[in-house]
Amino acid sequence: ELKVEQNPLFLSMQEGKNYTIYCNYSTTSDRLYWYRQDPGKSLESLFVLLSNGAVKQEGRLMASLDTKARLSTLHITAAVHDLSATYFCAVDSPLVFGKGTRLSVIA
Amino acid sequence: EAQVTQNPRYLITVTGKKLTVTCSQNMNHEYMSWYRQDPGLGLRQIYYSMNVEVTDKGDVPEGYKVSRKEKRNFPLILESPSPNQTSLYFCASSLSYSYEQYFGPGTRLTVT
Repeated sequence: ELKVEQNPLFLSMQEGKNYTIYCNYSTTSDRLYWYRQDPGKSLESLFVLLSNGAVKQEGRLMASLDTKARLSTLHITAAVHDLSATYFCAVDSPLVFGKGTRLSVIA
Repeated sequence: EAQVTQNPRYLITVTGKKLTVTCSQNMNHEYMSWYRQDPGLGLRQIYYSMNVEVTDKGDVPEGYKVSRKEKRNFPLILESPSPNQTSLYFCASSLSYSYEQYFGPGTRLTVT
């Protein structure tokens, strides 16, 4: 059974700081997705990572995938308040989601 | 505008009263799926459909039914809702099973 674990589950960070969210999964997969969810809203696709070594960047967010380590990271650079949300990674098809990382960026 | 729509957005009902949550997409996507989101449990897949007339169980299918008679629609049916089905439900679609999924706005269901 595929298990997806995210760390940390809660993250409070100061504006301007950098941080990384980790997503580990338990079985082989070469397909990983990152989603963002704002409070009371739906999920928005951020990144699709389809191969080992894949790296994608959008603004202050950068995601990478290491299929050998079964690990994806979501790196936040110089955080701003607008990045406050819950971030989910999801693996494989059908998708199995991590529990999400609730990020709060404070001044 | 490309989108996934769900109706209703909010629903309060009583135990045992059959209900249907509709889901429709206008992107000609083959793959559609239903999830429920519960605090502390994240999102869990209920059912999915690879194409018309092809459906399969996800992780938590008990108490739910689906059908896929047309490509654009994928309704979720609760024949006899129970309080443990109180949750936030999301429908999603994608070009095929390996592509990123687009989520609907969600349906908040309360069963008393």
